[in-house]
Amino acid sequence: EIVLTQSPATLSLSPGERATLSCRASQSVSTYLAWYQQKPGQAPRLLIYDASNRATGIPASFSGSGSGTDFTLTISSLEPEDFAVYYCQQRFNWPRTFGQGTKVEIK
Amino acid sequence: EVQLLESGGGLVQPGGSLRLSCAASGFTFSSNAMNWVRQAPGKGLEWVSGISGGGGNTYYADSVKGRFTISRDNSNNTLYLQMSSLRADDTAVYYCAKDRWSSSPGYFDYWGQGTLVTVSS
Repeated sequence: EIVLTQSPATLSLSPGERATLSCRASQSVSTYLAWYQQKPGQAPRLLIYDASNRATGIPASFSGSGSGTDFTLTISSLEPEDFAVYYCQQRFNWPRTFGQGTKVEIK
Repeated sequence: EVQLLESGGGLVQPGGSLRLSCAASGFTFSSNAMNWVRQAPGKGLEWVSGISGGGGNTYYADSVKGRFTISRDNSNNTLYLQMSSLRADDTAVYYCAKDRWSSSPGYFDYWGQGTLVTVSS
């Protein structure tokens, strides 16, 4: 099983700041990695797939990069609605696995 | 508009069974793989099971293999998850999730609101 480790666990930032979230895989997943956003009481939402492709309707302030074992989700300027938990997920191997999440909270 | 509506959750005793359903609309159901993803209270996401668009291929997490069965009815646009031999650690919100792909489950681009399964005596 591929283990995805996200860091940091919590990121405390102010609106307008840049957020940089990390996801590291226990073995290469090529670029088969996605990012999701989840707000309290809501279902997750797909943000990025194949490491760098924005999903439908996702603003350009969200960007993804990386390949192999190291990946980054960047939010260029935090809006109030961006404070949430973010998960990475791989589809390179079975079973599909998620990281443990990074909470982006208001400082 | 894609809509996924789960049902069938509830309280069940350890060792019991439950069947979850997910009614889909707003897309060509048979063209996409479908998945179940769960989230234990206060915890992260865990992929549980997936099924190809035609229903011929199924996939399971090791934690549920042999106890859960995924299936779909493409004529009625409905996804199912039959759960048996339920344990306390199966307690979670179960989400139905549409896949971006038709064959091998990969990324989950639309999600239902989830149905809560509680396993307790």
